Amino acid sequence: QQPVQSPQAVILREGEDAVINCSSSKALYSVHWYRQKHGEAPVFLMILLKGGEQKGHEKISASFNEKKQQSSLYLTASQLSYSGTYFCGTFGGNQFYFGTGTSLTVIP
Amino acid sequence: KAGVTQTPRYLIKTRGQQVTLSCSPISGHRSVSWYQQTPGQGLQFLFEYFSETQRNKGNFPGRFSGRQFSNSRSEMNVSTLELGDSALYLCASSPLEIQGRRVAGELFFGEGSRLTVL
Repeated sequence: QQPVQSPQAVILREGEDAVINCSSSKALYSVHWYRQKHGEAPVFLMILLKGGEQKGHEKISASFNEKKQQSSLYLTASQLSYSGTYFCGTFGGNQFYFGTGTSLTVIP
Repeated sequence: KAGVTQTPRYLIKTRGQQVTLSCSPISGHRSVSWYQQTPGQGLQFLFEYFSETQRNKGNFPGRFSGRQFSNSRSEMNVSTLELGDSALYLCASSPLEIQGRRVAGELFFGEGSRLTVL
């Protein structure tokens, strides 16, 4: 039931945009997004609780399509500080499932 | 506000030994959940405690156990260590319980305890 993220890895130049997708084979009732920099703890970015909900966090925003069981994270005008591994997460049954992760590297 | 504190940060054990990891949540948070992070399996949910009760449990063998104290501090224990238990163990606290099918509370993670089993 672990959500699948795509792409697995992406390299961007500063200022470029990226989209990270999170898909679940089971119904999604809420989606979390976290970023983990190398050697650090995951840091919360945002939660989407309702289908169709969109949220923004600086230049990072996300959407949640409950019917398609998908969520997407949008990073615009990427900065070097955006580098890290991004995880989506969702609750299913009695567990919290993190996605497979997307490694994002921003280069000058 | 102090963040989530995990101790020890690093430890090395040998197969067959047991280990206890500690987590102090953010003041006022009653939910503490534990995760195992490995390069191959990613972040895997171990269990969640809320108000001293285990509320949810992931798909891990009984060698993995935990408890929560009245001050919300939590410990997890792994007995009879195996090589495959080598991982980063993360704890997260939340003001809200992971409940039902809607997780309304963000998770605040500690820096983790890196366990190496030789």
